[in-house]
Amino acid sequence: AQKVTQAQTEISVVEKEDVTLDCVYETRDTTYYLFWYKQPPSGELVFLIRRNSFDEQNEISGRYSWNFQKSTSSFNFTITASQVVDSAVYFCALSGLSNFGNEKLTFGTGTRLTIIP
Amino acid sequence: NAGVTQTPKFQVLKTGQSMTLQCAQDMNHEYMSWYRQDPGMGLRLIHYSVGAGITDQGEVPNGYNVSRSTTEDFPLRLLSAAPSQTSVYFCASSPTSAEPGELFFGEGSRLTVL
Repeated sequence: AQKVTQAQTEISVVEKEDVTLDCVYETRDTTYYLFWYKQPPSGELVFLIRRNSFDEQNEISGRYSWNFQKSTSSFNFTITASQVVDSAVYFCALSGLSNFGNEKLTFGTGTRLTIIP
Repeated sequence: NAGVTQTPKFQVLKTGQSMTLQCAQDMNHEYMSWYRQDPGMGLRLIHYSVGAGITDQGEVPNGYNVSRSTTEDFPLRLLSAAPSQTSVYFCASSPTSAEPGELFFGEGSRLTVL
């Protein structure tokens, strides 16, 4: 069975502060993929990143960065110099080897991030 | 560029009524799926399809039916609505490949069952 835990239900920070969203996962698969999705107030879900279990290099995309640590089963997401437009619900998700080819994702419960101007 | 289109966006039903949530995609994606989103529970997979004529159950399939007669369409049917089915429903599609890829989501359909 797969499980994704996002322990932070809600986070509020003042604009320009850095913020890290935590994601811890459980899987018995040795090969798996991790994802982050953003759900802004408008409601649609937007893909942010995919990372496979063999690539533990951190990734940076503009103000966004992701830290993948297999030793702690974590895939944390950091926003640097946060902006009001970053206010959204963020979901971490997992797809295991048995799901390859059919994209069955297990989602966490989401973290609602509010950036205070 | 339509992407994934869901209709209706809002619907109110009475207990016991039936309805169909429509989902269409114009990206020629083989994989399509339905999720429901409930407060504090994230998104849960209801049903999915890896191609026309092929469907399978996800995590929470009870009370829902699906069919996939074409690549483009993947309707979700509620045969006898129950208040527990009050939720926001998302349809998603993806091109099937060797690695799980990005899911493209529709804008969601908010369903209220009274």
